Amino acid sequence: SQELEQSPQSLIVQEGKNLTINCTSSKTLYGLYWYKQKYGEGLIFLMMLQKGGEEKSHEKITAKLDEKKQQSSLHITASQPSHAGIYLCGADIYAGGTSYGKLTFGQGTILTVHP
Amino acid sequence: DTEVTQTPKHLVMGMTNKKSLKCEQHMGHRAMYWYKQKAKKPPELMFVYSYEKLSINESVPSRFSPECPNSSLLNLHLHALQPEDSALYLCASSPQLGYEQYFGPGTRLTVT
Repeated sequence: SQELEQSPQSLIVQEGKNLTINCTSSKTLYGLYWYKQKYGEGLIFLMMLQKGGEEKSHEKITAKLDEKKQQSSLHITASQPSHAGIYLCGADIYAGGTSYGKLTFGQGTILTVHP
Repeated sequence: DTEVTQTPKHLVMGMTNKKSLKCEQHMGHRAMYWYKQKAKKPPELMFVYSYEKLSINESVPSRFSPECPNSSLLNLHLHALQPEDSALYLCASSPQLGYEQYFGPGTRLTVT
């Protein structure tokens, strides 16, 4: 099975500070997803990465997938209270080049942003 | 529009009740999913439907019965649940397998 390790488990930052969340896989990642969740609510899709070395940005959030496709990072620039929540990385299980649509998630990173 | 809707928002049921959770999307997606999420844990996959056919059942107990009547609708029928089944149940959809999944707001289920 695909195991994902996220770090840190929790993060408290002052508004305006930059931060990075990491997601490390025990196996090669063929589809790596980043989601944000407010407690008790649904997951909000942020970004999907598939290619080694790929980098995507949306507003102040940038996600990268390393060349070996075993580690991804999520970077938030100039954090705001609206960025607070639980960030989850998810990996898609592939077999024979085909996705089964099965996402396995890391344990999540709880982000708190103080005004 | 990337909206997945789920009803009801909250559900309290006894162990002998039969109830159903409903999920709907109108994005033309052909893959739909049920996840279970316990407090302070990540979501865990329960079922995957692709083109209205069940493609993955993650060894879920038979007291949970999924149904996909058409490409826009996904149901989860519940019967004789246990208190440990209390959780947030999330539905998701994607254009096809291997694409980003869009999640609904979830149904908070409490089994008494």
